[in-house]
Amino acid sequence: EAGVAQSPRYKIIEKRQSVAFWCNPISGHATLYWYQQILGQGPKLLIQFQNNGVVDDSQLPKDRFSAERLKGVDSTLKIQPAKLEDSAVYLCASSLPPGAFNGYTFGSGTRLTVV
Amino acid sequence: DAKTTQPTSMDCAEGRAANLPCNHSTISGNEYVYWYRQIHSQGPQYIIHGLKNNETNEMASLIITEDRKSSTLILPHATLRDTAVYYCIVRGLTSNTGKLIFGQGTTLQVKP
Repeated sequence: EAGVAQSPRYKIIEKRQSVAFWCNPISGHATLYWYQQILGQGPKLLIQFQNNGVVDDSQLPKDRFSAERLKGVDSTLKIQPAKLEDSAVYLCASSLPPGAFNGYTFGSGTRLTVV
Repeated sequence: DAKTTQPTSMDCAEGRAANLPCNHSTISGNEYVYWYRQIHSQGPQYIIHGLKNNETNEMASLIITEDRKSSTLILPHATLRDTAVYYCIVRGLTSNTGKLIFGQGTTLQVKP
């Protein structure tokens, strides 16, 4: 079974620039999550999708972050404009619908450095 | 906010059992205890989960106290590759409660 694919693996941008991350979940996984992990901290949930609908985006800084999941498969997370404090690893995870006795499967993440 | 409390760090000798404790005193009756680990530069990896009975799989054992207010993850024969951050998470099974909310975790250092 192929895992959760994320790209790019690394990204360095200047503050005020924009950046986009891509995630391809495991086939058949209806639920998709984006997490932000700042160095030394646990992952923080940003947004949860069920198919192509948003279930929870309460922790997403909507003034600069946006995410979409067209056709209920791939997803993109965008930051515009980036700030220094956005430097982090952005993790994508997917799972079967809630209620299933399955854990999430995480991708390897995109490491963003804002300078 | 995370519903669990874990020690910040632990050491373990290679080949010995690693016992990682977790407190979850406010756990609800329909919430499960999940354990994940995160090896450096990788995404978190699922280890094991349980409701109230002890569980064992090829990676680890999970011991949950009878009152379900705490649990222990046991790695029976720790290797250097088990050095990682271990997260204990309480999780429900609905769209709202089924989200994984991570705390700080326990950094386990396995030493030769």
